[in-house]
Amino acid sequence: GENVEQHPSTLSVQEGDSAVIKCTYSDSASNYFPWYKQELGKRPQLIIDIRSNVGEKKDQRIAVTLNKTAKHFSLHITETQPEDSAVYFCAASGASGSARQLTFGSGTQLTVLP
Amino acid sequence: EPEVTQTPSHQVTQMGQEVILRCVPISNHLYFYWYRQILGQKVEFLVSFYNNEISEKSEIFDDQFSVERPDGSNFTLKIRSTKLEDSAMYFCASRVRASGFTDTQYFGPGTRLTVL
Repeated sequence: GENVEQHPSTLSVQEGDSAVIKCTYSDSASNYFPWYKQELGKRPQLIIDIRSNVGEKKDQRIAVTLNKTAKHFSLHITETQPEDSAVYFCAASGASGSARQLTFGSGTQLTVLP
Repeated sequence: EPEVTQTPSHQVTQMGQEVILRCVPISNHLYFYWYRQILGQKVEFLVSFYNNEISEKSEIFDDQFSVERPDGSNFTLKIRSTKLEDSAMYFCASRVRASGFTDTQYFGPGTRLTVL
C-alpha cells in the first residue's frame, strides 16, 4: 500500500521567517495530496491541497509544490505568525480502490517563536 | 458552513465492553470514513463506506469493528470488545461526490476513547 514519509518531525522558526515541510510518497498512482493543520485536541483542518496534474498551488502565505517524478511534495509557509504553530500532516490518496482514503505522514510540529 | 459532528466527545469504557461512536456527516456527502489517531501519532485510516456498504478497510479494522448507517444522517463505528490498545482519538470524515469528482475530506472534531 501507500507509504508517506514526512520531515522534519519538529520545526521551530522565528516569526516572519519561512517554514518548509517535505513529504515523499511511494505509490506513483497517488494523485491527490492534501495538507492538514491540527491544533492541540482539535480536528485536522484542510489548509491546501494539490492534484497531480498541477505542479504548484498557492493560497496567500501557503503554497504547495509537487514533483511527480521524484514522488515528493512540500508545504511552504511564508511570513510565519505565532498562530501558525500547530501539527501539520501531509497525506496522499488515489492510489487504490474507489474510496480514495487518505494515507497520512507522521506529522510536523511547527513552532513559531515570537 | 456545514461541519461533520461527532458524539460523544470523550468516552471512557472498561476493557471488554462495547462502544458505539457516532457521527453525522455533512448532509450532501456520500463517502464516509473512520480514522483513528493514537496519542502523539499520525492519523490512520480504518474504513470507508459508500452506498450502504464498506468500500475499503485497513488491517486495523478487524472483526471487532463494524460500521453502520442506521438512518439517513448517522454513521456509527462499533467496537465490540474494547482492548487497551483501542484507546485513541477516532475521527469521522466525509466527502462529497458530485457530478465531477471531489477529493476533499472534511473531518469531525473526534471522539477520544479511553479504555481502562
